[in-house]
Amino acid sequence: ETGVTQSPTHLIKTRGQQVTLRCSSQSGHNTVSWYQQALGQGPQFIFQYYREEENGRGNFPPRFSGLQFPNYSSELNVNALELDDSALYLCASSSPSGEETQYFGPGTRLLVL
Amino acid sequence: AQRVTQPEKLLSVFKGAPVELKCNYSYSGSPELFWYVQYSRQRLQLLLRHISRESIKGFTADLNKGETSFHLKKPFAQEEDSAMYYCALSLFYGGSQGNLIFGKGTKLSVKP
Repeated sequence: ETGVTQSPTHLIKTRGQQVTLRCSSQSGHNTVSWYQQALGQGPQFIFQYYREEENGRGNFPPRFSGLQFPNYSSELNVNALELDDSALYLCASSSPSGEETQYFGPGTRLLVL
Repeated sequence: AQRVTQPEKLLSVFKGAPVELKCNYSYSGSPELFWYVQYSRQRLQLLLRHISRESIKGFTADLNKGETSFHLKKPFAQEEDSAMYYCALSLFYGGSQGNLIFGKGTKLSVKP
């Protein structure tokens, strides 16, 4: 059984650019959630995908968007990057049919200059 | 609005001393609460959930609905307990666990 993986591990972008972050869910999990963790803060929920559909969204603007693929991997896209988007982006997978614990990936650290 | 508060940014204790990491929540529904832990250079991982009522690595947490608290306790701290601890509240979407609302975290430092 493989755990949640994320790529890339680090990324540097400039303001106004677009970025795509990727997540592979744990084997057998069909639900993926994305979180943003700013320095010194707890993770903040962005959105969740279940069976390729958005299944809930936190307080993030539309320039944060996502996709889930048939193999349950997922992407987080952020357009028109702002300096405040600099953070650690965490992906977590879970299975509604199981105990529903969310298993987190190692994160992608994004720096916007 | 739903909220999780961890009042201490840093908690420093000596090895063998009791530990209590505080967590208070604000939620009008029936809460499901968790403690997550992040050891140095490791990913965030579940420590325990209130619904399981189990003890993990000697830690326990009791949900007190009257005080809206879910404090994490361990009678005798070990150096390997040093880590960042996050309390989290789960909201549900369509019957599935969805949004986890995290506190800001408490860094536990256990000194020898």
